[in-house]
Amino acid sequence: AQRVTQPEKLLSVFKGAPVELKCNYSYSGSPELFWYVQYSRQRLQLLLRHISRESIKGFTADLNKGETSFHLKKPFAQEEDSAMYYCALTNSNSGYSTLTFGKGTMLLVSP
Amino acid sequence: GAGVSQSPSNKVTEKGKDVELRCDPISGHTALYWYRQSLGQGLEFLIYFQGNSAPDKSGLPSDRFSAERTGGSVSTLTIQRTQQEDSAVYLCASSLAGQPQHFGDGTRLSIL
Repeated sequence: AQRVTQPEKLLSVFKGAPVELKCNYSYSGSPELFWYVQYSRQRLQLLLRHISRESIKGFTADLNKGETSFHLKKPFAQEEDSAMYYCALTNSNSGYSTLTFGKGTMLLVSP
Repeated sequence: GAGVSQSPSNKVTEKGKDVELRCDPISGHTALYWYRQSLGQGLEFLIYFQGNSAPDKSGLPSDRFSAERTGGSVSTLTIQRTQQEDSAVYLCASSLAGQPQHFGDGTRLSIL
């Protein structure tokens, strides 16, 4: 069975501090990993997908197959980064595939 | 429309009543997904449509839940004889093949 684990329900940091939101997964096949973000009163939106290997809003995430992790990092947190972050995976070999989500981590960035 | 549209945005109903939730996907998106977001449970998959057929309905929690999609577009999620544990935010998403899913704002369902 596939599973996504986000061990922290809440992560609180000060503005300018580095941020790392942890995500571990278990999946027997070839997964595709995502980070979705939900800002206050906004809809869930895609932040990153691992195959894109890009940086969005200063965030990066590297897929580590050995450690089955896909941690989200940002070197200097901003107050506007405060939001709920969800890690998710899907089957990369399927054109259409459902997402399995972690339970989310609330990031609070204080001034 | 520009994005996935869901209605109503909020629904309050009494236990035992039936409810219908509507999702209007992004035009041209052939895949449509329903998820449920409840406190402490995170986001759970309910059902997936490819066109008008549902290849995967494994996430529906009971036979009180059903969904249909017509014309390869609008989908309706129906919950019969609602129970208090059905209270949650119901999210709809749509996508093209091999592309990320785009989510709607959700319907917040409260069962009294």
